[in-house]
Amino acid sequence: AQSVAQPEDQVNVAEGNPLTVKCTYSVSGNPYLFWYVQYPNRGLQFLLKYITGDNLVKGSYGFEAEFNKSQTSFHLKKPSALVSDSALYFCAVRDMNSGAGSYQLTFGKGTKLSVIP
Amino acid sequence: DTGVSQNPRHKITKRGQNVTFRCDPISEHNRLYWYRQTLGQGPEFLTYFQNEAQLEKSRLLSDRFSAERPKGSFSTLEIQRTEQGDSAMYLCASSLVRGTSGRLYEQYFGPGTRLTVT
Repeated sequence: AQSVAQPEDQVNVAEGNPLTVKCTYSVSGNPYLFWYVQYPNRGLQFLLKYITGDNLVKGSYGFEAEFNKSQTSFHLKKPSALVSDSALYFCAVRDMNSGAGSYQLTFGKGTKLSVIP
Repeated sequence: DTGVSQNPRHKITKRGQNVTFRCDPISEHNRLYWYRQTLGQGPEFLTYFQNEAQLEKSRLLSDRFSAERPKGSFSTLEIQRTEQGDSAMYLCASSLVRGTSGRLYEQYFGPGTRLTVT
């Protein structure tokens, strides 16, 4: 079965510094990978995805993620953190246990990002 | 706002009561998903619909859980005889599945319904 690991429950970074939120995955076959962000009392917002192609994926709000097949990782990055980036971040992989036409997601436990002014 | 909407946003109920939640997806989306999120965890997939057909329901947590999407538009999730362990955030998401578009895989989530069972 596929799985997603986010090894850090919380990441603290100073405003203006680069940030990285880590994600590793385990799937059979080619992975479809996603990052979502969740603000308090709001639903998950899509940030970016990797399906195929370039290993560096650019997404919303200046975020990007690097797909590394050999390390089975898909870390989320941003060159300069903003206080408004403080939120809960989830990595997800397409659930491969279901049929070929299904696209439900398996999520990690989430990483709380705190950007300190 | 043309995003995914969910009602109610909060529901408090007593153990043993039945509850029903509604999800209105983005209008042109043909896929609709239900997830459950408990504190400190990521969302957990429950079921999904392609138009009005429920194509996956083996992940529903028990036979007390059921979902419908009668006309291929809005969907309802019902929990019968609620238990305290059902307390969670219930999330709905929708997506458009059409050909091989790159947008095939993006799911858009609603704000969720927070259920508290006392």
